[in-house]
Amino acid sequence: EIVMTQSPATLSVSPGERATLSCRASQGVKSNLAWYQQKPGQVPRLLIYGAYTRATGIPARFSGSGSGTEFTLTISSLQSEDFAVYYCQQYNSWPPPWTFGRGTKVEIK
Amino acid sequence: QVQLVESGGALVKPGGSLRLSCAASGFSFSDHFMSWIRQAPGSGLEWVSYISRSGASTHYADSVKGRFSISRDNAKNSLSLQMNSLRADDTAVYYCATGEGILPNWGQGTLVIVSS
Repeated sequence: EIVMTQSPATLSVSPGERATLSCRASQGVKSNLAWYQQKPGQVPRLLIYGAYTRATGIPARFSGSGSGTEFTLTISSLQSEDFAVYYCQQYNSWPPPWTFGRGTKVEIK
Repeated sequence: QVQLVESGGALVKPGGSLRLSCAASGFSFSDHFMSWIRQAPGSGLEWVSYISRSGASTHYADSVKGRFSISRDNAKNSLSLQMNSLRADDTAVYYCATGEGILPNWGQGTLVIVSS
């Protein structure tokens, strides 16, 4: 099973600042990497797939990069609605499992 | 718009069984792969199971293999998860989602609590 490791566990950022979240895969997953956002009490929402493609309706301040084993989600200028937990997920494995990281909580500094 | 509504969550004793359902609407259900994902209280996300569009192909996380069974009824736009031999560590919110790998649409989830 591919293990996804996210860092940091918690990121304290001021509104308007840039946030950089990291995700590492225990083995190469090519670009088969997605990012999800989950706000408290809400359902996870797909942000990025294919490592860098924004899902429908996702603002341009969210960007993804990386391939292989190292990936980054960047939020260019944090808005109040962006404070949430972010999960990376690999879907390269066949057959599954498609594994998630443990998440990075982005909190207000 | 895509709508997924889970039901069937409950409090069940260890060793018991439960069947979750997911009613789909707003899209062509039979054209989509479907998955179940769970989230234990205060924890992260865990992919549980996947089913192909026809239902002929299914896959499970090792943690549920042999105990859980996924199925679908394309005529009724419905997805199910039969859960047997439930354990305390199966306690979670269970989400159904469209997709194979990439999960663009999620339901609101249904809570399963396994406790004596």
